[in-house]
Amino acid sequence: EIVMTQSPATLSVSPGERVTLSCRASQSVNNNLAWYQQKPGQAPSLLIYGASTRATGIPVRFSGSGSGTEFTLTISSLQSEDFAVYYCQQYNDWTTFGQGTKVEIK
Amino acid sequence: EVQLVESGGGLVQPGRSLRLSCITSGFTFGDYGMSWVRQAPGKGLEWVSYIRAKAYGWTPDHAASVKGRFTISRDDSKSIAYLQMNSLRTEDTAVYFCARSDHRYCSSISCPLDYWGRGTPVTVSS
Repeated sequence: EIVMTQSPATLSVSPGERVTLSCRASQSVNNNLAWYQQKPGQAPSLLIYGASTRATGIPVRFSGSGSGTEFTLTISSLQSEDFAVYYCQQYNDWTTFGQGTKVEIK
Repeated sequence: EVQLVESGGGLVQPGRSLRLSCITSGFTFGDYGMSWVRQAPGKGLEWVSYIRAKAYGWTPDHAASVKGRFTISRDDSKSIAYLQMNSLRTEDTAVYFCARSDHRYCSSISCPLDYWGRGTPVTVSS
């Protein structure tokens, strides 16, 4: 099983700041990597797939990069509605998720 | 508008069975793969089961933790996906989400999940 490790576990930021979240795979997943946002009491929503392609309706402030084992989700200027938990998912070899990064208000 | 609505969750004793349903609308159900993903209280996401569209043979896959106990199925005529859960254990307690996947964006094995339902809670306890 491919293990996905996200860092940091929690990130305290102020609105307007640039945010970078990391996701590392225990072996190469090529570019078969997605990012999701989950707010309390809600289902996850797809942000990025194919490591760098924004899903339908996702604002341009969200961007993804990386390939192989190292991936990054960047939020260029954090908005109030972006405070949430973010998960990465590899779908190269079955499916596994990272443990999540919580982005909270500083 | 794409909609997925789960039902069938509840409180069940260990060793018993439960069947979850995912009723969908707003898209051509038969063209898409469907998955179940669960989230234990206060925990992260765990993929449970996946079934491909007819064009890919309706083939199912299950996580090792549920293989032999859970069965995913689908009724394309009704636009519904199911998860039959047998021999339930306390560690199966979670919110169960159904989610859609578009085969155009999949790897050869699995897929990103582009639309999700709100989930149905399952509690396994005596």
